[in-house]
Amino acid sequence: TQLLEQSPQFLSIQEGENLTVYCNSSSVFSSLQWYRQEPGEGPVLLVTVVTGGEVKKLKRLTFQFGDARKDSSLHITAAQPGDTGLYLCAGALGSTGNQFYFGTGTSLTVIP
Amino acid sequence: EAGVAQSPRYKIIEKRQSVAFWCNPISGHATLYWYQQILGQGPKLLIQFQNNGVVDDSQLPKDRFSAERLKGVDSTLKIQPAKLEDSAVYLCASSPGAGAGTGELFFGEGSRLTVL
Repeated sequence: TQLLEQSPQFLSIQEGENLTVYCNSSSVFSSLQWYRQEPGEGPVLLVTVVTGGEVKKLKRLTFQFGDARKDSSLHITAAQPGDTGLYLCAGALGSTGNQFYFGTGTSLTVIP
Repeated sequence: EAGVAQSPRYKIIEKRQSVAFWCNPISGHATLYWYQQILGQGPKLLIQFQNNGVVDDSQLPKDRFSAERLKGVDSTLKIQPAKLEDSAVYLCASSPGAGAGTGELFFGEGSRLTVL
């Protein structure tokens, strides 16, 4: 059983559409990260959010950390084929705040 | 700057055989992680080292999996004996360490294990 549940598990959309991926847990995290992973490669960091309620924007991607630091969302505006990949959230626990537990993953396919 | 190096990239073994994976983290990174990723799922933390000490190995199946990080640099992950359900990608990641850097994990390309 993984600490973080992501939804949806799979998402297939047309280019230009908007989408939101959710990451939920019953645990409180000191920080939360979002990664993107392409086939045959390791995950690559997109963003880190630290403060409850924090919103960060990275071009067409908007990340939000829940007020209680238990959940997060990733919103993509006007999706492009290059956004295709596996999106992973990762929550930090532990006294040092660097024990990272990953979510179940959301596989996104953007169709041209 | 060189990234995280892992080997082998691919390994096929029969059940009950043994296998070892090697990881060389980014130079100077104090923290090293081993994750198991089953196809299409999120990575599962197996073990975390801070220098050469274990921080968390609560999800490591210790009856068959072992890991070490001698001298606080390279690390090896061993499976003996392997089971069919061990088929997965084994990812190694490193980070500068608690309180250092941005907390970003830097991953290698992974070692894909197939157990027949």
